[in-house]
Amino acid sequence: DTGVSQNPRHKITKRGQNVTFRCDPISEHNRLYWYRQTLGQGPEFLTYFQNEAQLEKSRLLSDRFSAERPKGSFSTLEIQRTEQGDSAMYLCASSQGPDTGELFFGEGSRLTVL
Amino acid sequence: RKEVEQDPGPFNVPEGATVAFNCTYSNSASQSFFWYRQDCRKEPKLLMSVYSSGNEDGRFTAQLNRASQYISLLIRDSKLSDSATYLCVVTAYIPTFGRGTSLIVHP
Repeated sequence: DTGVSQNPRHKITKRGQNVTFRCDPISEHNRLYWYRQTLGQGPEFLTYFQNEAQLEKSRLLSDRFSAERPKGSFSTLEIQRTEQGDSAMYLCASSQGPDTGELFFGEGSRLTVL
Repeated sequence: RKEVEQDPGPFNVPEGATVAFNCTYSNSASQSFFWYRQDCRKEPKLLMSVYSSGNEDGRFTAQLNRASQYISLLIRDSKLSDSATYLCVVTAYIPTFGRGTSLIVHP
């Protein structure tokens, strides 16, 4: 399967713990996006990489959130000191540059903070 | 005001009906427009791009009105399998999603 891969698919954690999600994009895609989605809402932009450079971060992304894409391939999204409000589906998507075309999404990582 | 606005619905229609969804956007610098489909508990997938000249793909027709900053999606001859959430996506720099419109097609 050469699609976008995310893991873990599900994560249940206690408030205050740190969690990390990983995304492996489609190999030739240079753009990688992280979105967050809650029930009844559309995906909400968090951050964007072009190759290894993080080019944009949402103002919604507090300092507890950090994302990396060290070699321009896979990416990680870490949430420190989780809060109940962080419970959501975290979606990763990749696309081929230079223009913004179709986004290919992974199946998402569902986070539940107790 | 949200950047991309959609009526969340749900739109509840019988098989064979024609249904239309609308979407408005606030950023006049937006350059690319799309409709995505999202099934329950699944990831969004591209349904179709939207062009100024309008475009059609089988039973689906998308229209863009740049002057009014408005996008539409028309589904003709609805099928049970069309039941899903339809997400409007507008890109100025970053793809921005609407909250989605829920469609339920019943027998």
